[in-house]
Amino acid sequence: AQSVTQLGSHVSVSEGALVLLRCNYSSSVPPYLFWYVQYPNQGLQLLLKYTSAATLVKGINGFEAEFKKSETSFHLTKPSAHMSDAAEYFCAVSDRASGTYKYIFGTGTRLKVLA
Amino acid sequence: DAGVTQSPTHLIKTRGQQVTLRCSPKSGHDTVSWYQQALGQGPQFIFQYYEEEERQRGNFPDRFSGHQFPNYSSELNVNALLLGDSALYLCASSPVNRGDTEAFFGQGTRLTVV
Repeated sequence: AQSVTQLGSHVSVSEGALVLLRCNYSSSVPPYLFWYVQYPNQGLQLLLKYTSAATLVKGINGFEAEFKKSETSFHLTKPSAHMSDAAEYFCAVSDRASGTYKYIFGTGTRLKVLA
Repeated sequence: DAGVTQSPTHLIKTRGQQVTLRCSPKSGHDTVSWYQQALGQGPQFIFQYYEEEERQRGNFPDRFSGHQFPNYSSELNVNALLLGDSALYLCASSPVNRGDTEAFFGQGTRLTVV
């Protein structure tokens, strides 16, 4: 069975500091991995995805993530946090084994940016 | 392109009632999935519809049912509402069998059961 674990339900960083949100996955087949962001009272917006091409993936708003098979990780980073980055972030793996590609989400990390 | 649209945005129901939520997928998408997001949790898969059939179901009771119409729009029905059904319900659309293509999510329907 596929699963995703996000370490740290809450992360606080200062404005301008590095953002690092952690995601580890478990998958019996090569995974498709996604990071989504959710602002208050809104749906999910895709930040970036990994689908077995380049291991370093660049997304929107300056975010990027690196797929590391040896560590089964797909951590999200941004060099310099902005106040507008405050939101909830979800890592997800696509269930390729079932053929439906439904998403299995982590429990989320709430990012707080301090002025 | 309007993207994925859901209605209504907010809903308050009483325990024991029934509710219907609606979703219109992104243009060109034929597959619709529904997710339940309880407060402080990640979204949980309810079921997926393709060609008007339920393809797969998550760990939800039969009180949760759905439908897909020929124009690919979809409904989620929940019967005999419980307080625990209070959540944000998200609809996601995608092209069938394209796991490398991301799902697009609507803004959700916030259901409150009192």
